[in-house]
Amino acid sequence: KQEVTQIPAALSVPEGENLVLNCSFTDSAIYNLQWFRQDPGKGLTSLLLIQSSQREQTSGRLNASLDKSSGRSTLYIAASQPGDSATYLCAVPRDFNKFYFGSGTKLNVKP
Amino acid sequence: IAGITQAPTSQILAAGRRMTLRCTQDMRHNAMYWYRQDLGLGLRLIHYSNTAGTTGKGEVPDGYSVSRANTDDFPLTLASAVPSQTSVYFCASSSTGEGGYTFGSGTRLTVV
Repeated sequence: KQEVTQIPAALSVPEGENLVLNCSFTDSAIYNLQWFRQDPGKGLTSLLLIQSSQREQTSGRLNASLDKSSGRSTLYIAASQPGDSATYLCAVPRDFNKFYFGSGTKLNVKP
Repeated sequence: IAGITQAPTSQILAAGRRMTLRCTQDMRHNAMYWYRQDLGLGLRLIHYSNTAGTTGKGEVPDGYSVSRANTDDFPLTLASAVPSQTSVYFCASSSTGEGGYTFGSGTRLTVV
């Protein structure tokens, strides 16, 4: 069974800091890995999707990397802003297109 | 509609009652899913459908049923609700191949 772990569970940083969120998975035979953002009481918004053949994806201030051999992905957020405060989840496929989710990292960016 | 629409947004339901949560997508994604999200337990897959006319059981299917009569709709039914089914329910969809997930905004269900 695929296990997905996210560290840290919670993170509080001052505005402007660069930060890294970590995601590890036990089975490296994955199709892709997806990072999501979830605001309190809201649904999940897709941030980045990295295919198994890729090593990283970038969108604005966000950069996600994927190292299948070590079972790790990182989400790098540059110049953090209070609006970045949310819970960040990573997800990897279980079967053809069913995903395992990590429990998330709750980020608080202080003004 | 753009993406996935879930209804209702929230509901308080008496135990023992029947309830159907609705999910509709307009992206022509072939696969659809129902998850429940509980504090401390994360997202757990209830049922899924890889294509219209087929369904499968996820991690926590007991007490729930689904149908997939067409590509766009994937309703989730609680035949006789129990308090342990109090949760936030998310519908999601994806295309075949190496596509990712798109989520609805969720239904907050409280069974009393």
